[in-house]
Amino acid sequence: DAGITQSPRHKVTETGTPVTLRCHQTENHRYMYWYRQDPGHGLRLIHYSYGVKDTDKGEVSDGYSVSRSKTEDFLLTLESATSSQTSVYFCAISGPLVGEVFEQFFGPGTRLTVL
Amino acid sequence: GQQVMQIPQYQHVQEGEDFTTYCNSSTTLSNIQWYKQRPGGHPVFLIQLVKSGEVKKQKRLTFQFGEAKKNSSLHITATQTTDVGTYFCAGRSGRDDKIIFGKGTRLHILP
Repeated sequence: DAGITQSPRHKVTETGTPVTLRCHQTENHRYMYWYRQDPGHGLRLIHYSYGVKDTDKGEVSDGYSVSRSKTEDFLLTLESATSSQTSVYFCAISGPLVGEVFEQFFGPGTRLTVL
Repeated sequence: GQQVMQIPQYQHVQEGEDFTTYCNSSTTLSNIQWYKQRPGGHPVFLIQLVKSGEVKKQKRLTFQFGEAKKNSSLHITATQTTDVGTYFCAGRSGRDDKIIFGKGTRLHILP
């Protein structure tokens, strides 16, 4: 498996509290992604990064912010958590391109519950 | 915006039967990828298709990319219990860095 970890792996928090999830990679890959996975919705992209301090929104970015100050770390922040943000969050990395194959490697996931 | 539809959502098959999942995009894709996620696990890359009409095989798995590069399929021959999981397609349009995932097909094998 690619060197990608997520922390924490499980978290329970209350509505209105800030939450930060961390993704750490040891592969020196350029691209990093945050997804959320909910039953019936598959994987939905929240934000992604194409380099240090270079980020862009995905399809479900409202209520989330990200930061990438180092190649190896990509942080996802919920400024004020809501119950609708209860989900499993996956970080993924990709790159460099190998024969134009843009494979994504996924982390183990973080299960977040907002009460 | 780009949408990737995947059917069926669920599929129950007897062990030894074949299984197929289909993926359709609202836009022409530059490539399509397939991932497998075991229960409780994370998605794992299976393959990428790039060329129009491309067909690739991995043992009992056959992947196809449509001529118009807007649809794809994954076919598993003679399913085994190890095939249990959710299969996702993921499409990329143009040179965009984003990949849009289908909602997945959950495969359940009946012994």
